[in-house]
Amino acid sequence: GQSLEQPSEVTAVEGAIVQINCTYQTSGFYGLSWYQQHDGGAPTFLSYNGLDGLEETGRFSSFLSRSDSYGYLLLQELQMKDSASYFCAPREDDKIIFGKGTRLHILP
Amino acid sequence: SAVISQKPSRDICQRGTSLTIQCQVDSQVTMMFWYRQQPGQSLTLIATANQGSEATYESGFVIDKFPISRPNLTFSTLTVSNMSPEDSSIYLCSVGTKRGVHEQYFGPGTRLTVT
Repeated sequence: GQSLEQPSEVTAVEGAIVQINCTYQTSGFYGLSWYQQHDGGAPTFLSYNGLDGLEETGRFSSFLSRSDSYGYLLLQELQMKDSASYFCAPREDDKIIFGKGTRLHILP
Repeated sequence: SAVISQKPSRDICQRGTSLTIQCQVDSQVTMMFWYRQQPGQSLTLIATANQGSEATYESGFVIDKFPISRPNLTFSTLTVSNMSPEDSSIYLCSVGTKRGVHEQYFGPGTRLTVT
């Protein structure tokens, strides 16, 4: 079967660090993408892990452990503009499957 | 990155009618996709639009309901046929990049309301 789990909501304080976890079970796995979507906007690509380990892109980092079918997105130095929904999306050969998304609330 | 436009941006339609959504890309792309998203919900892949061949539909979506055209490498259309209120949703097209299908750029979406 296929399953994707990520928290529905996370709340953090401006300037802090937050981690959004994702566990997956797919029929064929190539890697894990992360997307950000602001209210009323289109999803935008953040990061991709094709191999185990950490990928860093500015304030955002993403991690993958294939043996644990687990990944996370780490957001540092949180800013109010980071308030959005974040989706993990495993890649299955020629497509990606979106998780249900995690809504990140940031408090001043 | 690719610039993607969609038409219309929104529409209100009566049940039983059909609506065709257009997706235009400013560069030639191999991979184009159509998604559906209820407000506040996840994105569900409807189909992959293949240039020169029939689209590849995901489970739960059929060609009679969601016919797709892909006449060239910069354009695609999605038709929502015989609409019902359950079809009310945001429809998004996206394109893959040279780096792979894992990195997609999305159009702004078409907000459809069926009454």
